[in-house]
Amino acid sequence: QKEVEQDPGPLSVPEGAIVSLNCTYSNSAFQYFMWYRQYSRKGPELLMYTYSSGNKEDGRFTAQVDKSSKYISLFIRDSQPSDSATYLCAMTSWAGGGADGLTFGKGTHLIIQP
Amino acid sequence: DAGVTQSPTHLIKTRGQQVTLRCSPKSGHDTVSWYQQALGQGPQFIFQYYEEEERQRGNFPDRFSGHQFPNYSSELNVNALLLGDSALYLCASTLPQVEGTGELFFGEGSRLTVL
Repeated sequence: QKEVEQDPGPLSVPEGAIVSLNCTYSNSAFQYFMWYRQYSRKGPELLMYTYSSGNKEDGRFTAQVDKSSKYISLFIRDSQPSDSATYLCAMTSWAGGGADGLTFGKGTHLIIQP
Repeated sequence: DAGVTQSPTHLIKTRGQQVTLRCSPKSGHDTVSWYQQALGQGPQFIFQYYEEEERQRGNFPDRFSGHQFPNYSSELNVNALLLGDSALYLCASTLPQVEGTGELFFGEGSRLTVL
């Protein structure tokens, strides 16, 4: 079993829909959870950063962490064609970007249809 | 404010050769990490440098080595290249170690093709 599981998709939804992206993990030491967006042939861009369990909202994006279930989610409201990208979840047990490094999921390829 | 910059952006090598990739961190950042991203996969942690020392290493062989300079820039060296080393190599930097922070900022990457 991989440490972080993420459905690679592709996930295709119509413009304006609510998108739900998810990851599960097995390492209970993970405390810091991130979502990155990666456009084709570009580096990952940090979208959301959360510590421990709970919700965090930033504009159209909401990140949820449920440590008891080892499950994290990213919701995108009012999705736009410009949101089409690969979304990577990442996590670490240590602040400071993880001296032990971030552990990433494979990424979910999201397509927003105009 | 320049972000994380990497060079070269693309390069092609043959098996057995050696390669050096370079990274300049975001202004004010002192910690640099390197990641390997194979096609269709998430990035995998190679190692992290802080105060010119390798602080932690992921599951990569000794063929992968690095260096951090006093100005916080960094190099990744890969010796005896294998076909499987073909990937996007990402550099990421972060602020000084403060509890509750630690967001990594990534560069655009160096795409290495090994023939």
